[in-house]
Amino acid sequence: AQSVTQLDSHVSVSEGTPVLLRCNYSSSYSPSLFWYVQHPNKGLQLLLKYTSAATLVKGINGFEAEFKKSETSFHLTKPSAHMSDAAEYFCVVPSSASKIIFGSGTRLSIRP
Amino acid sequence: DTGVSQNPRHKITKRGQNVTFRCDPISEHNRLYWYRQTLGQGPEFLTYFQNEAQLEKSRLLSDRFSAERPKGSFSTLEIQRTEQGDSAMYLCASSPQGLNTEAFFGQGTRLTVV
Repeated sequence: AQSVTQLDSHVSVSEGTPVLLRCNYSSSYSPSLFWYVQHPNKGLQLLLKYTSAATLVKGINGFEAEFKKSETSFHLTKPSAHMSDAAEYFCVVPSSASKIIFGSGTRLSIRP
Repeated sequence: DTGVSQNPRHKITKRGQNVTFRCDPISEHNRLYWYRQTLGQGPEFLTYFQNEAQLEKSRLLSDRFSAERPKGSFSTLEIQRTEQGDSAMYLCASSPQGLNTEAFFGQGTRLTVV
């Protein structure tokens, strides 16, 4: 069965410091993985996606993620947090041709 | 605007009433999804359409829920005899045909059952 586990429900960092949001996956269907972001009162937006072309994937707003098959991980990082990064982040894996499975989400808070 | 559009944005209804939500996907997308999201949780899959055909439906979905996509364009999600547990954000998404294509989400319809 396909699944994603987001290891932290809440992460808090200071502005200007690095961000690490952790995701472990289990998928026998597809090697593709996604990160989505959800700002308050806004729709889900794709941050980046991995489709086996390169293990290090760059996304919008300075975020990137590295696919590590040996660790079954797809952690999201950003070198320097900005106040506007405060949001809910979801790691996502396709479970079939028709369905994508969301993790439970990580709420990112940024301290001034 | 060519994004996914959902209406209404908010709906408050009394327990036992029926409600219907509408989703207009991106016009060239033939895949359409409905998800439900409760506070503090990730979106939960409800159902999937490819064109007008409903190809998958969550086993967790009550018989009170029904979705349609006539003509393969917009979709409606109806909840009959609403219960307080149905209170949630209902999200619609669409995607083009193909492998590894990302889904584009609407802003959702927030349902409150009182």
